[in-house]
Amino acid sequence: QVQLRESGPGLVRPSETLSLTCTVSGASISSNDRYWGWIRQPPGKGLEWIATIYFSGSTYFNPSLKSRVTISVDTSKNLFSLKLTSVAAADTGFYYCARSTMFRGAPGHFDSWGQGTLVTVSS
Amino acid sequence: DIQMTQSPSTLSASVGDRVTITCRASQDINNWLAWYQQKPGKAPKLLIYMASSLEGGVPSRFSGSGSGTEFTLTIGSLQPDDFATYYCHQYKNYSPWTFGQGTKVEIK
Repeated sequence: QVQLRESGPGLVRPSETLSLTCTVSGASISSNDRYWGWIRQPPGKGLEWIATIYFSGSTYFNPSLKSRVTISVDTSKNLFSLKLTSVAAADTGFYYCARSTMFRGAPGHFDSWGQGTLVTVSS
Repeated sequence: DIQMTQSPSTLSASVGDRVTITCRASQDINNWLAWYQQKPGKAPKLLIYMASSLEGGVPSRFSGSGSGTEFTLTIGSLQPDDFATYYCHQYKNYSPWTFGQGTKVEIK
């Protein structure tokens, strides 16, 4: 059974870069029918998709965040990572990594999620 | 962007009640819609995909229907474990992929 686990600092200062890693176990990140993505959730609010990557390096970004987001994959370590630059208080929230299915050659629904990690942006 | 609007935002119900949550898309998304359940402090959990396909291990009291722009999630007989927040999610277009704002199911 696939498991995803987020890791990274819980506190980031304003204007700095948020960096998170998602370690995958129980499945290969090089699977040819799965994508890997990040979703966030401000405390008490709804879900916002951030970005998704395929093991080959193909990427998809939320246009509202694209200029600040980098997503990468390390197939040798079976993990993928997120960087969000120039953070502000509005970037505070729970960050989830998730696996999505492949549907018509593109990402589909999210079938497995990490437990999430709270990132607070504050000086 | 495709906007997803859920109704109601909050729903009060009793154990044993039949519960229906609606999700409307701002444009036709065929049946490329998923439903998730989220409990406090936990990650979302996939319930339904392709509008009506039940994810493995999900109780059969959960069902989904709809296509185009209007979709429903029905809980046939509400159980104590079902009090949670439910989200719909469209994945038709990389436009970006979007979620509804959530429906909280509370104990009446």
